[in-house]
Amino acid sequence: NAGVTQTPKFRVLKTGQSMTLLCAQDMNHEYMYWYRQDPGMGLRLIHYSVGEGTTAKGEVPDGYNVSRLKKQNFLLGLESAAPSQTSVYFCASRYSGRGSYEQYFGPGTRLTVT
Amino acid sequence: DAKTTQPNSMESNEEEPVHLPCNHSTISGTDYIHWYRQLPSQGPEYVIHGLTSNVNNRMASLAIAEDRKSSTLILHRATLRDAAVYYCILGSGSARQLTFGSGTQLTVLP
Repeated sequence: NAGVTQTPKFRVLKTGQSMTLLCAQDMNHEYMYWYRQDPGMGLRLIHYSVGEGTTAKGEVPDGYNVSRLKKQNFLLGLESAAPSQTSVYFCASRYSGRGSYEQYFGPGTRLTVT
Repeated sequence: DAKTTQPNSMESNEEEPVHLPCNHSTISGTDYIHWYRQLPSQGPEYVIHGLTSNVNNRMASLAIAEDRKSSTLILHRATLRDAAVYYCILGSGSARQLTFGSGTQLTVLP
């Protein structure tokens, strides 16, 4: 199993450009999450999904959109990138079953907006 | 949401036990205590979680105070690979999301 993978690993954008980050998991997990982590800070939840076709806002959703068209994929979009969105982005997934609380994280995408 | 308080940083010597404290005085009866760690330049990884009783797994032990207002993550024999940021997080049993604080930066000295 590859676990949780993220594409791309690094990206540099100019202000105003758009891009999509792809998260894929092969564990058949229902729940998927997008977090961002700024230098020296903990992770903050952007959006999450509890199943195919459903998404919900997290703590810091502004400036981002998400889609979950397939169970194994969770896409994070930036329509008009801003320097404040320079961060490391982590995707995670989790089984929804009772008693299962472990989130599995991807390796991260380092995004710089100039 | 109930909050947790952790020291910003701790040091330990290699091959010695490490006790990482976490205070959560406003914990509710349904909140589980989760611990994750984040190695340098990696995503967080799950360590352990518990509700009321002490828990052990291959990575660590979790000691929970009787009043549940604090807990301690115990690494029985620290290795250099254990140097990481350790996050103590509260989440109810039905919680779909976790809120990460700033965690404790553990430095392991050779």
